[in-house]
Order: sequence, then C-alpha cells, then structure tokens
Amino acid sequence: NAGVMQNPRHLVRRRGQEARLRCSPMKGHSHVYWYRQLPEEGLKFMVYLQKENIIDESGMPKERFSAEFPKEGPSILRIQQVVRGDSAAYFCASSSPGHPNTEAFFGQGTRLTVV
Amino acid sequence: DQQVKQNSPSLSVQEGRISILNCDYTNSMFDYFLWYKKYPAEGPTFLISISSIKDKNEDGRFTVFLNKSAKHLSLHIVPSQPGDSAVYFCAAPGGRDDKIIFGKGTRLHILP
Repeated sequence: NAGVMQNPRHLVRRRGQEARLRCSPMKGHSHVYWYRQLPEEGLKFMVYLQKENIIDESGMPKERFSAEFPKEGPSILRIQQVVRGDSAAYFCASSSPGHPNTEAFFGQGTRLTVV
Repeated sequence: DQQVKQNSPSLSVQEGRISILNCDYTNSMFDYFLWYKKYPAEGPTFLISISSIKDKNEDGRFTVFLNKSAKHLSLHIVPSQPGDSAVYFCAAPGGRDDKIIFGKGTRLHILP
C-alpha cells in the first residue's frame, strides 16, 4: 500500500518559468490538501480538493497559482511565472472520507528552488 | 481566524525528562484531534490521535490529554529522547467541508 507520492522531490526553476508539482494520493483517498512551508515557518494551508472539485482555496495566492485533482491521475499544483519568493517546500496530504475520525497522510514534499 | 493554535514556537527539554506540547482550539464542534511529527526535509507523519469521547490516549511514550471545557489538548512525551527533536503539529478535522486544520507547529529540541 503505497503512501502519498509526490514528484519531483526537488525542482529548480528560473524566474518566469512554470512549476508543476504532482501528488498521487494514497489508494482509496479522494481528498487532497496542499501545504507550503517556507523556511523557519510552519505549514501554511493552500488548497483542499476532492475529486474534480476545489473545496477550499482560501490559502492560495490569487495569481499564478492553480490546483486541480482530476478524475483520473494525480493532483497538480501549478505555479506560473515563478518568482524567488515561491521557493519553499510544498507538501501534499490525502485523506479518505470518514468524518470525523480522519487522518491525513503526507507525502515527502517537493522542494522548489527558484533561481 | 486561527482555529487551532500552538502558542509556543519552540521548546527545549533535557533528554530523559518530560516534554509537554500544548494546543488550543476555538471551535467547540471539533471532536477529533491529531498530532503530527515532522523532521526537516520530510513530510509530517501521523503520531497519535484522540477522540472527544476520551480525555486521554496513550501510545508508548506518547500520551495526549484533552480538556474539552478548556478547549485545550497537550502531547506528553516521556522520557524524551534525542530522536524526538522535530516539529510537532496539532490538527483537527472539521473545518469547512471537513478540512483538516493545522496549528503552526512547535519545534522541540531535546538537549543531551
């Protein structure tokens, strides 16, 4: 039973390029969360998705950032025209429906470096 | 509006002593709580949970206590070991659409 898989583990982009981060949830999980961790800071919620739906994107910057979780395939976090301030570790977590006793399981993260 | 709060950004504890990490919440509808542990450059890993029907849950060296009237929970680690040095996050499902809400974390340093 594979855990949450994120790829790539490390991603280097030049300013202005696009970054695409992928997250394959655990088998049977239909809920995906994306979090960002800046250096010396905690986890900052970005977006919460269920299959084909964005449920809560209150933590997403209004511009350049988008997320999707299609019916088939991984969830994608897309950052257009990256800037140095986007350099951070991005973590994906997945959970299954089953309120209230639901744990989320995290991937190992993608470390984005913008040069 | 921070519904799950960890007010201590960091904590240092001598090896062998007890580590106590605190978490407060504001939403009285929360009925399940989670603790995660995170090492640098790794994803958080689930550590222990507690349901609101209990006031204590124990797993080896880790015990979580829940005080519903005070809307407060704490994670006790005893005895503390060097490998316990990490960031600990408190979390609760039950935000809008059952979103899991995390605190900002407490960095625990175990001193030799």
